[in-house]
Amino acid sequence: NAGVTQTPKFQVLKTGQSMTLQCAQDMNHNSMYWYRQDPGMGLRLIYYSASEGTTDKGEVPNGYNVSRLNKREFSLRLESAAPSQTSVYFCASSEGQGLNEKLFFGSGTQLSVL
Amino acid sequence: AQSVTQLDSQVPVFEEAPVELRCNYSSSVSVYLFWYVQYPNQGLQLLLKYLSGSTLVESINGFEAEFNKSQTSFHLRKPSVHISDTAEYFCAVRGYGDDKIIFGKGTRLHILP
Repeated sequence: NAGVTQTPKFQVLKTGQSMTLQCAQDMNHNSMYWYRQDPGMGLRLIYYSASEGTTDKGEVPNGYNVSRLNKREFSLRLESAAPSQTSVYFCASSEGQGLNEKLFFGSGTQLSVL
Repeated sequence: AQSVTQLDSQVPVFEEAPVELRCNYSSSVSVYLFWYVQYPNQGLQLLLKYLSGSTLVESINGFEAEFNKSQTSFHLRKPSVHISDTAEYFCAVRGYGDDKIIFGKGTRLHILP
């Protein structure tokens, strides 16, 4: 049982380049999330998806796009990377609302934009 | 919209001393509240949560948090900390009927020998 799998683990981009961060979960969760973690800023929500076929903006969506390809996969795309997007990115999925509510996190992607 | 304020970015405390990590939230609707912990070089994991019922919730490793609706707070406490509690602690909130989960900026707990 792999849980939440993110790829790649590390990436270095030049300003203006594009890339897609991949996330997949094997727990049959409906809700999936993308966060970025920066020192002193905590985790900030970029986008989330409450169910297959739906996506919504979070706190800091500018410069990002997402795709909920199916129930398992939720990708994050940077169309034109900027140095301000240097961060650690975490994907998470949720067991759902109720007594079992809990976020499961991937191991993160460390992205540097030069 | 919901928001979370963690007033202390760092908290130093001596081993075996008590600790309180503060969390205040803002919301126009009722909320669910969470504390997550990130140990050094690890991912985040759920420590405890308040969904409904008793306002005092506990974790398996001795932490507890109390939901105070009038003060819009969900402070995390432990009566006696151990060196293994060294970590960053994040408070999070979700509003009723919403799927969006918002985190605070985190509090680093430093355990002094």
